[in-house]
Formats: sequence, structure tokens, C-alpha cells
Amino acid sequence: DAGITQSPRHKVTETGTPVTLRCHQTENHRYMYWYRQDPGHGLRLIHYSYGVKDTDKGEVSDGYSVSRSKTEDFLLTLESATSSQTSVYFCAISERHPSYEQYFGPGTRLTVT
Amino acid sequence: AQTVTQSQPEMSVQEAETVTLSCTYDTSESDYYLFWYKQPPSRQMILVIRQEAYKQQNATENRFSVNFQKAAKSFSLKISDSQLGDAAMYFCAYSTASGTYKYIFGTGTRLKVLA
Repeated sequence: DAGITQSPRHKVTETGTPVTLRCHQTENHRYMYWYRQDPGHGLRLIHYSYGVKDTDKGEVSDGYSVSRSKTEDFLLTLESATSSQTSVYFCAISERHPSYEQYFGPGTRLTVT
Repeated sequence: AQTVTQSQPEMSVQEAETVTLSCTYDTSESDYYLFWYKQPPSRQMILVIRQEAYKQQNATENRFSVNFQKAAKSFSLKISDSQLGDAAMYFCAYSTASGTYKYIFGTGTRLKVLA
């Protein structure tokens, strides 16, 4: 199994508070991604990174920011959590060549009350 | 923009039988990758099978195989000899082979395996 951890695994927070989710990898993969999973929507890309300090927006980036100061860590911040951000968040990594496969973390269940 | 469509929200199959999950996609690119991921109740995403668009031969992995129709932009997954452990959500995914390196996922198909 690819070495990807997410923390915390579960979190309950109140509307309006900032929240940071952490993704840590030990695979030295260049590409890292944050997705959210909601019923009926599959996985939707929030932000991704193609290198240290290189990030870009995905399809549902409003209300989220990311940072990647070193290869192994990719942080997702909800600047002011809203109930619509209640979801399961997945981190994934990829090295592109040769397989282009994404490896996923175990997920974080976030509830915003 | 690329899109991935899974039109079957839920499917059922009898144990030991064969089932096919459908996936269609839209892209203007000629080089890309397609994937099927499995998500069991544990929530862990697991790669089932991968297809490179430049390969005409359909990928196979043990009981899992795909029917890749590039002109029709179709990428279906066939599961043979279905087992209880195959029960899961299955996601079809598309990846560019260059450029922004983003992945696009379908909305998923929940597969139930009946004993």
C-alpha cells in the first residue's frame, strides 16, 4: 500500500471556524490532490499540486485553500467552514509515469454543524 | 472540458454471475488514461484496472476486464464470476496524459452481489 496518511480522520466543527486537513505521503510523489466525496457526485477535485509551492484549483475550489511547503505534505484549509462543506475528503498522490495511477489516503469525514 | 458519465447508479448481480458496468466519457484529446476504482464499505479507494488510450487491446486483470471503444468513448467494466467481496461502489475515471494532469471521476455505480 502507498504510504499516505490523512489527519484527522474524523472532525466535527462549527460553522464559521477555520479547519485544516493534512495529507502526508512517504512515496516522494510529485502530484498531490484533494477531493471531496458526496452522494450522487462521485469525487470532485478541490485543489491539486504539481510540485512544492505549485498548486492549482479544481472544479470546487471556492471556500478552500491549499499549501504545499514540502514534497510530503499537502494541507487543505477551509477558511470559514460552512454546512455545505460537510463531506468526506480524500487526498491522493500520483507520479504520473509510468502508470498514471492515483493512490488514495483513507479519507477524512468532516461534519460542520 | 472532459466529462465522465456513469448512467447506472446501482446494479445487482448474483454470485458467480457476470455483470457489466457502463462508463462513457467526453474528450477532445487523443492520448489519455482510463481507470476503474473500487470503493468498498471501508471507504478505501482501490485501483481495479487501467487502460491506456493508445492501446487497442482491452485490459484484463483476473476476473476484471474492460471493453474500451475509443471511437464511441465508452469504457465498460466486466466482472466475471462475481464474488461477495466485489460488492462496492465503482468509479470510472479519466486522466489526461499531458498538460494539467487532472483526473475526472464519474458519479459511481453501487454494485450489490446477491448470494
